[in-house]
Order: sequence, then structure tokens, then C-alpha cells
Amino acid sequence: QVQLVQSGSELKKPGASVKVSCKASGYTFSNYPMNWVRQAPGQGLEWMGRINTNTGNPTYAQGFTGRFVLSLDTSVSTAYLQISSLKAEDTAVYYCARGLSGGWFDPWGQGALVTVSS
Amino acid sequence: DIQMTQSPSSLSASVGDRVTITCRASQYISTFLNWYQQKPGKAPKLLIYGATSLQSGVPSRFSGSGSGTDFTFSITSLQPEDFATYYCQQSHTTPDTFGQGTKLELK
Repeated sequence: QVQLVQSGSELKKPGASVKVSCKASGYTFSNYPMNWVRQAPGQGLEWMGRINTNTGNPTYAQGFTGRFVLSLDTSVSTAYLQISSLKAEDTAVYYCARGLSGGWFDPWGQGALVTVSS
Repeated sequence: DIQMTQSPSSLSASVGDRVTITCRASQYISTFLNWYQQKPGKAPKLLIYGATSLQSGVPSRFSGSGSGTDFTFSITSLQPEDFATYYCQQSHTTPDTFGQGTKLELK
């Protein structure tokens, strides 16, 4: 079945970096873009960006440029989100989600909690 | 960016009730409107795509309607497992944007 499995929770200090992975299975990875969505504690869903899994070209939402980098390793059907210079306000659950033809997201990964605390 | 305004932000209902949530886009989005359900500690789940199409495996008590800027999402005959938070999402124009969510609680 189509599935996205994300890496586990991370506890990082301010200023550090983190790389979250999202491994896809059950479909042809390069046929669908991968989206990333942030959910801060107790808050709603915020689209961060997507990466074209065929070309590797990323598109970022405003507010997610500079410190946020989307990348791929197509040899292992995995997408990555790297965040550098972490701040306390980056504490959130980060989801990957496959993008389908009309732009809806299905399925979603289980989420990766990133906690930034000194 | 296109703003998505969901209402109400919270809703209390009983098992067996019918509930409706609305989502308004700040610009025309045709039928590029999708609905998700999220339960605590879980990832969102796609319920409705393209404003009206029911995702495979989703019970028929869920439905969506609308086009342009105004959309509705309904659940007929609420079941205990339906108490969750629901989000709309527009996929017409990048950046994709979500509504703020509607928390459906048991009365």
C-alpha cells in the first residue's frame, strides 16, 4: 500500500540543524510531488513547500526560505526537510504528504516532532 | 496568498446529528478545495477532494459542495469516531493554504 514513513522525534538546541526524512513506498516516487506541512503545538496546518520529485526543483512558501531546504534521494525514494539555525519557534510537528493531480495531499506521513530547547 | 476562512472554529454536537462547516476563499478557486480530518496526535486524513469527490474508503456520511469561493462540508448522522478537527485546503494557487480548522466536539 502507499505509505510515507518519517523519521523519529528530535530534540535540538537553538542554533543547531535537523534533517527530517520521509520514505515513500507502494508507488513510483518520481511521479508525484512531495509536500511539507508544519503544525506548531495546538495550532493549525501550514504549508511549507513542495519538491518536484522528478526534477528535484523545490518551491517554498514565504516564511520558509533561507533556513529550510527540501531535497531528495530518489535512489531510496526518500524526501528530506532540513532546517538550520533552529529557533524555539521551530518547535512543531512536520508532516510530509504526497501531492496528487488536483493538489490534494494523500497520504500523509505520521509526522516528526522537532523540539527546540536549550 | 489566498486566505481560507473556516467557520465555525468549534462546534458541539451529539451522535446522530448532522453538522455543516463552511469554508470561504478570499479569491476564486474553482473546485480546488479539499477537506481533511485530524484526530489528536495523528496525521491529517483526506476526506474530500475537488470540493465534492469522496476519497476512497471514506464513509458516505461525509460530503462536500460548492465552487468559486464558497464551500460546505457536511457530516450526516455523526458517529463517535467523527469527533475531530477538520481543515479545508485550497490547491488552486501556490502557496497552498489551509483554513484555521474546525474542532468538532461531543456535546
